[in-house]
Amino acid sequence: EAQVTQNPRYLITVTGKKLTVTCSQNMNHEYMSWYRQDPGLGLRQIYYSMNVEVTDKGDVPEGYKVSRKEKRNFPLILESPSPNQTSLYFCASSSRTEAFFGQGTRLTVV
Amino acid sequence: AQSVTQPDIHITVSEGASLELRCNYSYGATPYLFWYVQSPGQGLQLLLKYFSGDTLVQGIKGFEAEFKRSQSSFNLRKPSVHWSDAAEYFCAVGAGVGGGADGLTFGKGTHLIIQP
Repeated sequence: EAQVTQNPRYLITVTGKKLTVTCSQNMNHEYMSWYRQDPGLGLRQIYYSMNVEVTDKGDVPEGYKVSRKEKRNFPLILESPSPNQTSLYFCASSSRTEAFFGQGTRLTVV
Repeated sequence: AQSVTQPDIHITVSEGASLELRCNYSYGATPYLFWYVQSPGQGLQLLLKYFSGDTLVQGIKGFEAEFKRSQSSFNLRKPSVHWSDAAEYFCAVGAGVGGGADGLTFGKGTHLIIQP
Protein backbone atom coordinates (compact mmCIF):
# COMPACT_ATOMS: atom_id res chain seq x y z
CA GLU A 1 0.00 0.00 0.00
CA ALA A 2 1.27 3.44 -0.97
CA GLN A 3 2.08 5.29 2.19
CA VAL A 4 3.59 8.51 3.48
CA THR A 5 4.25 8.35 7.21
CA GLN A 6 4.82 11.42 9.33
CA ASN A 7 5.77 11.53 12.99
CA PRO A 8 4.74 12.82 15.38
CA ARG A 9 1.08 13.57 14.63
CA TYR A 10 0.86 16.14 17.41
CA LEU A 11 3.61 18.14 19.08
CA ILE A 12 3.63 20.95 21.60
CA THR A 13 6.98 22.57 22.18
CA VAL A 14 8.54 25.72 23.59
CA THR A 15 10.14 28.55 21.69
CA GLY A 16 13.72 27.82 20.73
CA LYS A 17 13.76 24.08 21.36
CA LYS A 18 14.97 22.29 18.25
CA LEU A 19 12.66 19.69 16.79
CA THR A 20 12.47 17.32 13.84
CA VAL A 21 9.38 16.03 12.08
CA THR A 22 10.09 12.82 10.21
CA CYS A 23 8.61 11.77 6.88
CA SER A 24 9.02 8.46 5.11
CA GLN A 25 7.57 7.11 1.85
CA ASN A 26 7.45 3.60 0.40
CA MET A 27 6.80 4.43 -3.27
CA ASN A 28 10.37 5.04 -4.40
CA HIS A 29 9.47 8.57 -5.49
CA GLU A 30 12.25 10.96 -6.27
CA TYR A 31 10.23 14.06 -5.42
CA MET A 32 9.23 14.90 -1.85
CA SER A 33 8.06 18.13 -0.29
CA TRP A 34 6.82 19.81 2.86
CA TYR A 35 3.80 22.09 3.15
CA ARG A 36 2.28 24.07 5.95
CA GLN A 37 -1.44 24.70 6.21
CA ASP A 38 -2.82 27.77 7.92
CA PRO A 39 -6.46 28.90 8.14
CA GLY A 40 -7.42 31.05 5.18
CA LEU A 41 -4.08 30.52 3.45
CA GLY A 42 -4.38 26.98 2.11
CA LEU A 43 -1.22 24.91 1.78
CA ARG A 44 2.08 26.58 1.07
CA GLN A 45 5.25 24.76 0.10
CA ILE A 46 8.17 25.06 2.52
CA TYR A 47 10.89 22.97 0.89
CA TYR A 48 11.13 20.31 -1.72
CA SER A 49 13.62 17.68 -2.85
CA MET A 50 14.00 16.33 -6.35
CA ASN A 51 16.30 13.51 -5.31
CA VAL A 52 18.84 12.42 -2.72
CA GLU A 53 21.04 15.35 -1.69
CA VAL A 54 19.01 17.74 -3.89
CA THR A 55 16.80 20.18 -1.99
CA ASP A 56 15.46 23.65 -2.68
CA LYS A 57 13.33 26.34 -1.10
CA GLY A 58 9.62 26.58 -1.64
CA ASP A 59 7.44 29.60 -0.99
CA VAL A 60 7.88 29.88 2.80
CA PRO A 61 11.29 28.42 3.77
CA GLU A 62 12.32 30.85 6.54
CA GLY A 63 12.96 29.11 9.85
CA TYR A 64 13.09 25.60 8.40
CA LYS A 65 15.74 23.16 7.25
CA VAL A 66 15.51 19.85 5.44
CA SER A 67 17.81 17.03 4.46
CA ARG A 68 17.54 14.17 1.99
CA LYS A 69 20.19 11.57 2.76
CA GLU A 70 18.06 8.63 1.68
CA LYS A 71 15.41 8.45 -0.99
CA ARG A 72 12.64 7.36 1.35
CA ASN A 73 13.16 9.93 4.13
CA PHE A 74 12.74 13.69 4.13
CA PRO A 75 12.80 15.17 7.64
CA LEU A 76 11.77 18.74 8.43
CA ILE A 77 13.93 20.49 11.01
CA LEU A 78 13.03 23.55 13.06
CA GLU A 79 16.28 24.64 14.68
CA SER A 80 14.73 27.39 16.82
CA PRO A 81 10.93 27.21 16.62
CA SER A 82 8.88 30.35 17.13
CA PRO A 83 5.14 30.79 17.79
CA ASN A 84 4.53 31.85 14.16
CA GLN A 85 5.51 28.33 13.15
CA THR A 86 2.45 26.95 14.91
CA SER A 87 0.71 25.22 12.05
CA LEU A 88 -0.41 21.96 10.45
CA TYR A 89 2.40 20.40 8.44
CA PHE A 90 2.10 17.92 5.58
CA CYS A 91 4.76 15.88 3.91
CA ALA A 92 4.12 14.80 0.31
CA SER A 93 5.71 12.25 -1.96
CA SER A 94 5.02 12.69 -5.66
CA SER A 95 5.19 11.08 -9.01
CA ARG A 96 4.57 13.30 -12.02
CA THR A 97 0.88 12.47 -11.97
CA GLU A 98 -0.05 12.32 -8.30
CA ALA A 99 1.01 13.60 -4.90
CA PHE A 100 0.50 11.45 -1.82
CA PHE A 101 0.22 13.20 1.51
CA GLY A 102 0.99 12.15 5.03
CA GLN A 103 -1.62 12.47 7.78
CA GLY A 104 -0.18 15.74 8.99
CA THR A 105 1.64 16.99 12.07
CA ARG A 106 -0.08 19.58 14.20
CA LEU A 107 2.65 21.67 15.79
CA THR A 108 2.09 24.19 18.56
CA VAL A 109 4.97 26.43 19.66
CA VAL A 110 4.39 28.24 22.97
CA ALA B 1 4.04 32.49 -11.59
CA GLN B 2 1.20 30.05 -11.24
CA SER B 3 -1.73 30.74 -8.93
CA VAL B 4 -5.07 29.22 -7.98
CA THR B 5 -8.16 31.11 -6.88
CA GLN B 6 -11.07 29.56 -5.06
CA PRO B 7 -13.53 32.45 -4.81
CA ASP B 8 -15.80 30.89 -2.21
CA ILE B 9 -14.40 30.55 1.30
CA HIS B 10 -17.55 28.90 2.63
CA ILE B 11 -20.45 27.22 0.85
CA THR B 12 -23.59 25.85 2.51
CA VAL B 13 -25.66 23.27 0.65
CA SER B 14 -28.67 21.24 1.69
CA GLU B 15 -28.26 17.49 1.76
CA GLY B 16 -29.39 16.04 -1.56
CA ALA B 17 -28.84 19.29 -3.45
CA SER B 18 -26.30 19.75 -6.22
CA LEU B 19 -22.90 21.29 -5.64
CA GLU B 20 -20.44 23.32 -7.65
CA LEU B 21 -17.13 24.55 -6.23
CA ARG B 22 -15.27 27.07 -8.32
CA CYS B 23 -11.59 27.09 -9.17
CA ASN B 24 -9.67 29.43 -11.46
CA TYR B 25 -6.00 29.04 -12.22
CA SER B 26 -3.21 30.96 -13.78
CA TYR B 27 -0.46 28.99 -15.50
CA GLY B 28 1.59 29.61 -18.59
CA ALA B 29 1.18 26.22 -20.23
CA THR B 30 -1.28 23.36 -20.25
CA PRO B 31 -1.87 22.76 -16.58
CA TYR B 32 -2.06 19.64 -14.51
CA LEU B 33 -5.09 20.23 -12.27
CA PHE B 34 -6.19 18.50 -9.11
CA TRP B 35 -8.96 18.55 -6.52
CA TYR B 36 -8.24 17.34 -3.00
CA VAL B 37 -10.59 16.91 -0.06
CA GLN B 38 -9.66 17.22 3.59
CA SER B 39 -12.10 15.88 6.16
CA PRO B 40 -11.87 17.24 9.70
CA GLY B 41 -8.67 16.07 11.36
CA GLN B 42 -7.60 14.13 8.30
CA GLY B 43 -4.98 14.39 5.61
CA LEU B 44 -5.56 15.22 1.96
CA GLN B 45 -7.29 12.79 -0.34
CA LEU B 46 -7.18 13.12 -4.13
CA LEU B 47 -10.66 13.41 -5.64
CA LEU B 48 -9.70 13.71 -9.29
CA LYS B 49 -7.10 15.07 -11.68
CA TYR B 50 -6.84 16.41 -15.21
CA PHE B 51 -3.83 16.23 -17.49
CA SER B 52 -5.17 16.14 -21.03
CA GLY B 53 -7.90 14.67 -23.19
CA ASP B 54 -11.55 14.65 -22.21
CA THR B 55 -12.26 17.88 -20.37
CA LEU B 56 -14.84 16.27 -18.10
CA VAL B 57 -13.14 14.05 -15.57
CA GLN B 58 -14.73 11.68 -13.12
CA GLY B 59 -13.42 11.17 -9.63
CA ILE B 60 -14.15 9.28 -6.49
CA LYS B 61 -17.21 9.71 -4.28
CA GLY B 62 -19.38 10.78 -7.22
CA PHE B 63 -17.47 13.98 -7.97
CA GLU B 64 -16.63 15.30 -11.42
CA ALA B 65 -14.83 18.36 -12.71
CA GLU B 66 -14.75 20.16 -16.02
CA PHE B 67 -11.68 21.83 -17.47
CA LYS B 68 -12.46 24.98 -19.47
CA ARG B 69 -9.36 26.43 -21.02
CA SER B 70 -11.11 29.56 -22.27
CA GLN B 71 -12.18 30.42 -18.73
CA SER B 72 -9.06 29.07 -16.97
CA SER B 73 -11.42 27.13 -14.74
CA PHE B 74 -11.64 23.67 -13.25
CA ASN B 75 -14.89 23.58 -11.30
CA LEU B 76 -15.85 20.64 -9.14
CA ARG B 77 -19.42 19.30 -9.20
CA LYS B 78 -21.57 16.70 -7.54
CA PRO B 79 -25.22 16.10 -8.43
CA SER B 80 -26.40 15.24 -4.92
CA VAL B 81 -24.38 15.87 -1.77
CA HIS B 82 -24.35 13.71 1.33
CA TRP B 83 -23.70 14.83 4.90
CA SER B 84 -20.34 13.03 4.72
CA ASP B 85 -19.21 15.45 2.00
CA ALA B 86 -18.79 18.20 4.60
CA ALA B 87 -15.08 18.99 4.41
CA GLU B 88 -12.47 21.42 3.09
CA TYR B 89 -11.86 21.25 -0.64
CA PHE B 90 -8.66 22.37 -2.31
CA CYS B 91 -7.98 22.98 -5.96
CA ALA B 92 -4.33 22.75 -7.04
CA VAL B 93 -2.27 23.28 -10.17
CA GLY B 94 0.85 21.28 -10.92
CA ALA B 95 3.69 23.72 -10.69
CA GLY B 96 6.72 21.46 -10.58
CA VAL B 97 9.26 20.85 -13.29
CA GLY B 98 7.15 20.49 -16.41
CA GLY B 99 4.00 21.25 -14.43
CA GLY B 100 3.34 17.88 -12.86
CA ALA B 101 2.21 16.87 -9.41
CA ASP B 102 5.79 17.26 -8.22
CA GLY B 103 5.20 20.74 -6.82
CA LEU B 104 1.63 21.85 -6.31
CA THR B 105 0.26 25.35 -5.90
CA PHE B 106 -2.95 25.25 -3.88
CA GLY B 107 -5.93 27.52 -3.63
CA LYS B 108 -6.95 28.70 -0.19
CA GLY B 109 -9.73 26.18 0.05
CA THR B 110 -13.52 26.12 0.19
CA HIS B 111 -15.22 24.97 3.37
CA LEU B 112 -18.34 22.98 2.53
CA ILE B 113 -21.16 22.85 5.06
CA ILE B 114 -24.06 20.46 4.58
CA GLN B 115 -27.44 21.39 6.01
CA PRO B 116 -29.81 18.56 6.94
